Amino acid sequence: EVQLLESGGGLAQPGGSLRLSCAASEFTFGGYAISWVRQAPGKGLEWVSGISGSGGAIYYADSVKGRFTISRDNSKNTLYLQMNSLRAEDTAVYYCAKGSKGSGSYYFDYWGQGTLVTVSS
Amino acid sequence: DIQMTQSPSTLSASVGDRVTITCRASQSISSWLAWYQQKPGKAPNLLIYKASSLESGVPSRFSGSGSGTEFTLTISSLQPDDFATYYCQQYNSYPWTFGQGTKVEIK
Repeated sequence: EVQLLESGGGLAQPGGSLRLSCAASEFTFGGYAISWVRQAPGKGLEWVSGISGSGGAIYYADSVKGRFTISRDNSKNTLYLQMNSLRAEDTAVYYCAKGSKGSGSYYFDYWGQGTLVTVSS
Repeated sequence: DIQMTQSPSTLSASVGDRVTITCRASQSISSWLAWYQQKPGKAPNLLIYKASSLESGVPSRFSGSGSGTEFTLTISSLQPDDFATYYCQQYNSYPWTFGQGTKVEIK
């Protein structure tokens, strides 16, 4: 069974940084695109960033462009999200979501359980 | 960016009811649409992809239809386990975008 396990969430101050990780197992990690999707408390789903299986194609939502950096280490089956210049509006549960294919148009067939990021002074 | 608009935002229904949720895209997305179910405190779960393809393991009472800009998710006979929030998502072009969600409540 595919597993995605996020970690690294917690409390950060406005302007601060956090690094999220997503450890994947039970599938050929480098063969699939993967994304971060967040959900603010009581709100809907917002796609944040995505990276192709090879790591060669990277995309960001405008709301995080220039502040967040997505990366992956296919040798460690791990996805990362470096979040800098954090704002209160970044407070959310962050999910990693596995794409249905390596690149191009893909939907999310598996999701992690999420990690909570709270930005507050 | 492609805007996804779901209706209704909230739906009250009874067990056994036929339920339909609509999702409209601000421009054509062909059939690049997925539907997810989310229960409180849980991650979303894929129900439908490519507008009408049922994900393996999902009950056959769920079905999807549509193409272009208008899509529907239908639950043929609502079961107690189906009370949840449903989201559509387009994956035609970046940024991927979700509808605002439809909460299906017990009537």
